[in-house]
Amino acid sequence: GENVEQHPSTLSVQEGDSAVIKCTYSDSASNYFPWYKQELGKRPQLIIDIRSNVGEKKDQRIAVTLNKTAKHFSLHITETQPEDSAVYFCAASEAAGNMLTFGGGTRLMVKP
Amino acid sequence: GAGVSQSPSNKVTEKGKDVELRCDPISGHTALYWYRQSLGQGLEFLIYFQGNSAPDKSGLPSDRFSAERTGGSVSTLTIQRTQQEDSAVYLCASSLGWEAPYEQYFGPGTRLTVT
Repeated sequence: GENVEQHPSTLSVQEGDSAVIKCTYSDSASNYFPWYKQELGKRPQLIIDIRSNVGEKKDQRIAVTLNKTAKHFSLHITETQPEDSAVYFCAASEAAGNMLTFGGGTRLMVKP
Repeated sequence: GAGVSQSPSNKVTEKGKDVELRCDPISGHTALYWYRQSLGQGLEFLIYFQGNSAPDKSGLPSDRFSAERTGGSVSTLTIQRTQQEDSAVYLCASSLGWEAPYEQYFGPGTRLTVT
């Protein structure tokens, strides 16, 4: 089955700096890679996703890159703000079934 | 419109008791997923439904866990003879379909504590 590794497990940055979270996956059949943000005590919420036919996707301060050959994808947050503080999860899935395999999560702390 | 809802929000039970957790997906969503999140950990896939059918039950941790879905809508996750290691937040998600990458929308979860 699929295995997703996520690094780092914790990340502390100053407000305004950039944050990068990296994930690797094992199953070459995976073709969908969402990123979820989970605030303390809240449900995970999708912030951006990328499909395997695309190498990069941007949405305002958030971008995701995908390298299918190396089987890794990354989340980039620019101009971080205190409200970006949360746990971020990467995930991978195949089209069939659409079940998500999650990474272990990254606790991002943005210091004002 | 209404999002995914789950009940109860919190459940405290004694070891050995059975519990039922309920999920109401977004109306019209044919796919439904159950995940488990242990304290400070990532999300672990348990089971998913295509309509009322569960094609893959291999994610269920043991035969004490079962799930069903009726009418293509509400799903119930049942844990029999609960153990302390079952303590976790159980999250349900739904999506429009299962044959292509569709966004999964999560419910607020049920926090289960087994004493």
